[in-house]
Amino acid sequence: AQSVTQPDIHITVSEGASLELRCNYSYGATPYLFWYVQSPGQGLQLLLKYFSGDTLVQGIKGFEAEFKRSQSSFNLRKPSVHWSDAAEYFCAVGAENYGQNFVFGPGTRLSVLP
Amino acid sequence: NAGVMQNPRHLVRRRGQEARLRCSPMKGHSHVYWYRQLPEEGLKFMVYLQKENIIDESGMPKERFSAEFPKEGPSILRIQQVVRGDSAAYFCASSAPGQGGYSNQPQHFGDGTRLSIL
Repeated sequence: AQSVTQPDIHITVSEGASLELRCNYSYGATPYLFWYVQSPGQGLQLLLKYFSGDTLVQGIKGFEAEFKRSQSSFNLRKPSVHWSDAAEYFCAVGAENYGQNFVFGPGTRLSVLP
Repeated sequence: NAGVMQNPRHLVRRRGQEARLRCSPMKGHSHVYWYRQLPEEGLKFMVYLQKENIIDESGMPKERFSAEFPKEGPSILRIQQVVRGDSAAYFCASSAPGQGGYSNQPQHFGDGTRLSIL
């Protein structure tokens, strides 16, 4: 079965600074990888996804993520953070096998300083 | 172009009552997933359903919890005889069928139902 870790529970950055949120997965085959963002009191919104092909994927709101098979990582990046990016970020891995499910990481809470 | 619709947004129940949470998937989506999120925690998978079938309920508590996704109408998550520990946000997600498999299509989430037990 697949699993996901997000080593950072809470990250604080200043507005305008760059951001990288870490995600490591464990899965025996090619993973399907996703990043979601959750604002307080809201559901999860899909930021981007990786299925195959180019290992650098672009998402909404200026986010990108890079799939590195050798490191089993799918880190989320943004060159310049805005105050509105403060939220909880979840990495998730899907699977190819019938009946298996998304597995979500524990999340990283992002705080943005003015 | 409605997204995943969950209702109610907030539900208050007294201990021992029943809670019914509803989820209407996005148009064209036939897969529904339920998750529970406790304060300051991530999402915990509960159950995965397709129309009239429970595919995976490995995350469902063995007692008091049940889920269905009938041929017509929304998916229902039902909690009988609620206890204080059931207080949480319950999220529903839906997805299109996977290509050549399952769980490889992005899940789209509703805004959740926040269940409070008095």
